[in-house]
Order: sequence, then C-alpha cells, then structure tokens
Amino acid sequence: GAGVSQSPSNKVTEKGKDVELRCDPISGHTALYWYRQSLGQGLEFLIYFQGNSAPDKSGLPSDRFSAERTGGSVSTLTIQRTQQEDSAVYLCASSPQGVGTEAFFGQGTRLTVV
Amino acid sequence: AQSVTQLDSQVPVFEEAPVELRCNYSSSVSVYLFWYVQYPNQGLQLLLKYLSGSTLVKGINGFEAEFNKSQTSFHLRKPSVHISDTAEYFCAVSGAAGNKLTFGGGTRVLVKP
Repeated sequence: GAGVSQSPSNKVTEKGKDVELRCDPISGHTALYWYRQSLGQGLEFLIYFQGNSAPDKSGLPSDRFSAERTGGSVSTLTIQRTQQEDSAVYLCASSPQGVGTEAFFGQGTRLTVV
Repeated sequence: AQSVTQLDSQVPVFEEAPVELRCNYSSSVSVYLFWYVQYPNQGLQLLLKYLSGSTLVKGINGFEAEFNKSQTSFHLRKPSVHISDTAEYFCAVSGAAGNKLTFGGGTRVLVKP
C-alpha cells in the first residue's frame, strides 16, 4: 500500500509569506508526527497527534507554527510570516495504534525561505 | 519524560572495518527501542527494533543492536561496513507519553575507502 505522502516536495517562499505543508499518513495509522531537520542537524520534534487525544505541541518553536489533523487523517503544518531560519526539511511520520509500533516516514518537504 | 542521547555526532570509519554507534536512553517506564537510517537525500527507514525477548536484535543490512537494561543502552554495531553504509543513524525510544517516539540527535557515519 501507499506510504506516507508529503506535499509539496519542495517549496520556495518569500520571507514573510505563510506556507502550508501537507501530510497524508498511511491509512489507519492513529499517530502522526511532524519533525524538522535543518541542514546537517538532527531531528527536531514539532508536534505529535495520537488518535483523539489533545496533540503534544511542546516542540513548536514559536506561535508562528501550527498544525491540525482533520478527521484523524490528513495533517497540515502551517508556518505564518516565514523567516529564513525556517528553511529546513519538514518530515512527517505516522504509526499504527499499539505499543512499540514503529513510525513510517515520508520523504519530506524541503522549505526554502528567500 | 524520556530522552535519548547519541554520544557521537560523527563517526568516520574505513571500509570493511567494524563500527559501533552508541545510544543511551532515559525513561521511567518500560521502553521500546529503535534504530533508523537516513541515506543521503532520502527519508528515514527502520533498521531494527527491540520490543522484548532476546536482547540482541538483528536488523537489515547486517546491523545488530544490543539492549542493555542496566546500562540503559542500545548500541548499534556492524562488523564490516561498506561505502553504502554512509548515512545518518538515529536512535529512538518509545514507551511513555502516549507511546510517542523520541529521537536522539543522530550520528553521521562516513565510510572511507
């Protein structure tokens, strides 16, 4: 079946503009993660959705960042008033319900703020 | 809260030499441990995982890892690396906080001919 799908794969935007990044998780997966990976850096956790529970937003770096997950499926990460330091690869992952389940990653969206 | 520390940010190694990537975790509950690999310009994929049972776990591409509860470690090893093993490796833990996966900072492996 299809894996985690992210769109767009690349996005170039001007500083100050808003952007929306989309993630289509694997069907039936209850958990969904967003991470950010800056050039040469590790994975920075942004937000975690698990079923109908309140999302864990503890990793969002500022109030310019927000994410929602509609109907327990598709998720959108929104960055308002983008800054150059927002340039990074944004990775989405999903995992099925159950303890010890692995996460499956998408290919990421490369965001460049100019 | 759970956390993961990867002690080495970069590991250069010659082709056909062994490699060990260190991972230590902290968690107040039972843990499940994972190693992921990210090849250049690609997404992350699972190498191996420990859920229970035998503490020695074998994964893809000849990698293995050993779970050591007393030392709270899950080090990754390969007896003989190839150029194609050049990648970034991430250790992760789950088991608390609603089963959320927490990743370490990654170890970049550069295999030299």
